Amino acid sequence: QKEVEQDPGPLSVPEGAIVSLNCTYSNSAFQYFMWYRQYSRKGPELLMYTYSSGNKEDGRFTAQVDKSSKYISLFIRDSQPSDSATYLCAMSGGSNSGGSNYKLTFGKGTLLTVNP
Amino acid sequence: NAGVTQTPKFQVLKTGQSMTLQCAQDMNHEYMSWYRQDPGMGLRLIHYSVGAGITDQGEVPNGYNVSRSTTEDFPLRLLSAAPSQTSVYFCASSYGPYNSPLHFGNGTRLTVT
Repeated sequence: QKEVEQDPGPLSVPEGAIVSLNCTYSNSAFQYFMWYRQYSRKGPELLMYTYSSGNKEDGRFTAQVDKSSKYISLFIRDSQPSDSATYLCAMSGGSNSGGSNYKLTFGKGTLLTVNP
Repeated sequence: NAGVTQTPKFQVLKTGQSMTLQCAQDMNHEYMSWYRQDPGMGLRLIHYSVGAGITDQGEVPNGYNVSRSTTEDFPLRLLSAAPSQTSVYFCASSYGPYNSPLHFGNGTRLTVT
């Protein structure tokens, strides 16, 4: 079982739709959870960052973490064509998770297209 | 506010050639890393550095060398290019370990023929 699983899509939705993107993971030491957005031919950029379980909202974006289920989600409300990109989840352990605590573990990314 | 700068943007190499991918950051970040991104494989860590003079291997280090003589620069060297190294390479930096988001450059697209 891979440490982080992410459905690669592609996902195509009409403008204004609510989008749900998800990742599952197997390493219970993960405490820091991030979502990156990557436009075509660009580097990933940080979109959302959460620590431990719970929700975080930023404008049209909401990140959810359920550590008991080892499941994280990113919701996009009122999706726009400018949201068309690849979305990557990423996570890492804390200071007591051993020598790999520096490294982020990435999902493979979900390609999202929002159609006008 | 440059962030992470990678050069060149594109490169074509012949098998067996060597080259250095440059990476510089102006955010005074201690942590820097190199990833490669391939279709269906996601981002894979090649090498990383936790500070000047300190480097370590990531998930896919074979065929690559790194050094970190300054805080700002973290070059990646391909010793003898192979077609399997055709990829998009991203350099990233962060302020601290495990809980600090990565800042990425815009990548170097490398083709090895």
